Parts: sequence; structure tokens; C-alpha cells
Amino acid sequence: AQSVTQPDIHITVSEGASLELRCNYSYGATPYLFWYVQSPGQGLQLLLKYFSGDTLVQGIKGFEAEFKRSQSSFNLRKPSVHWSDAAEYFCAVGRSGTASKLTFGTGTRLQVTL
Amino acid sequence: SAVISQKPSRDICQRGTSLTIQCQVDSQVTMMFWYRQQPGQSLTLIATANQGSEATYESGFVIDKFPISRPNLTFSTLTVSNMSPEDSSIYLCSVEGSGTGEAFFGQGTRLTVV
Repeated sequence: AQSVTQPDIHITVSEGASLELRCNYSYGATPYLFWYVQSPGQGLQLLLKYFSGDTLVQGIKGFEAEFKRSQSSFNLRKPSVHWSDAAEYFCAVGRSGTASKLTFGTGTRLQVTL
Repeated sequence: SAVISQKPSRDICQRGTSLTIQCQVDSQVTMMFWYRQQPGQSLTLIATANQGSEATYESGFVIDKFPISRPNLTFSTLTVSNMSPEDSSIYLCSVEGSGTGEAFFGQGTRLTVV
């Protein structure tokens, strides 16, 4: 069965600093991978996705992620964090070869200090 | 993309009662999903609802507790039956979008059982 691990439960960064959120997955074939963001009281917003092709994917709000098959990782990065990026971030993998039925990681809560 | 409307957005219910959550999509979709997000936790898939067939439940979730209806291609309901405080969660509806088949989420229903 697919699984997703987000090792960091909580991360604090200063505004303007760079950010990397870690995500490791377990899946036998080429996975569909996603990063979602959930702000307090808000629904889930898709930041970016990887289906195939270029392993470096660009998303919204200046985020990017890199798929590394050898490491089973899909880490999320942002070169300069803004205070508005404070939120919960979830990595997810598509189940059973679908892109819509998802297994989520436990999430990483990002706090941004001014 | 798909625009998803969930009702109610939040509710406070007495234990032992039931609540039905509605999910309306602005376009016809084949696959709809219901997730639960317990306080401070990640999202867990409850069931997959396809129009014209019985919902498929994930391990740990049963139809008697979470009956689901899917009367057409734009609408679904999830009922949380005989509620207890442990059912206090955010319940999210998700659909498979056309084209790439990725998931889109509603804003969620925040349920508190007292």
C-alpha cells in the first residue's frame, strides 16, 4: 500500500529565509505526487503536482518541488518565505494508479517569524 | 478545475444524533471522495462514491456509521450517524477533475459533537 512520510511535524523559519519541507513516499510504480496547503479555517489548495516528465515542478505562490526517484522523495522548496505562507502543508500520493484518490502525509506546520 | 460547495460549513451537534453533509459540484464528475480530518491530524479517506453504485469504504469505516448517497454526477451526501464526540472532525468532499484527473477539494464541514 502507498504511504507518505513527512518527518517534520513543525518548522519555524524567518520571513525571507529559504524553506524546504520533506516528503518521502512508498509506492511501487511511478507515483502521482502532490503538495497541498491548508491555511487556518480554509480548505485544501493544491500547490503543485508531479505526474511525469521534468522532475522539478513549479507551483503557485513561488513554490517548487523536486521528484527524486532514487530517494523516494518529493521535497517542497521556496527560496524566500513570506509571513502569509504560515500554514499546514500536506504531501500526498495518488492511490492505485489514480491522481484523485489520495493518501496524505501527516502534515508539516510552518510558522513564519518576522 | 472544479468548484465544490459543501454544506453546512460547520455545525455543533448533540451526541446520538446524525448529520448529513452535502457536496455539490459545478460540473459532472465520475469519482467523488469523502475524507475525515480529525483535530490536529491529517486527512483520511472514508469512502469513494461513484454514481450508480454503492460507495466503497476504506478499512475502519462502515456504511452504517457513514452512509453515502450519490444520486447523480454533481451531488453526494455523507451522513455521520449516531454521533459521539470522537466524530468531531472536519469532513471534506473531493472530486476527480476532468482532464488530468487530479483532486479538488471543498472547503470542508467542521463538525463538533457535544
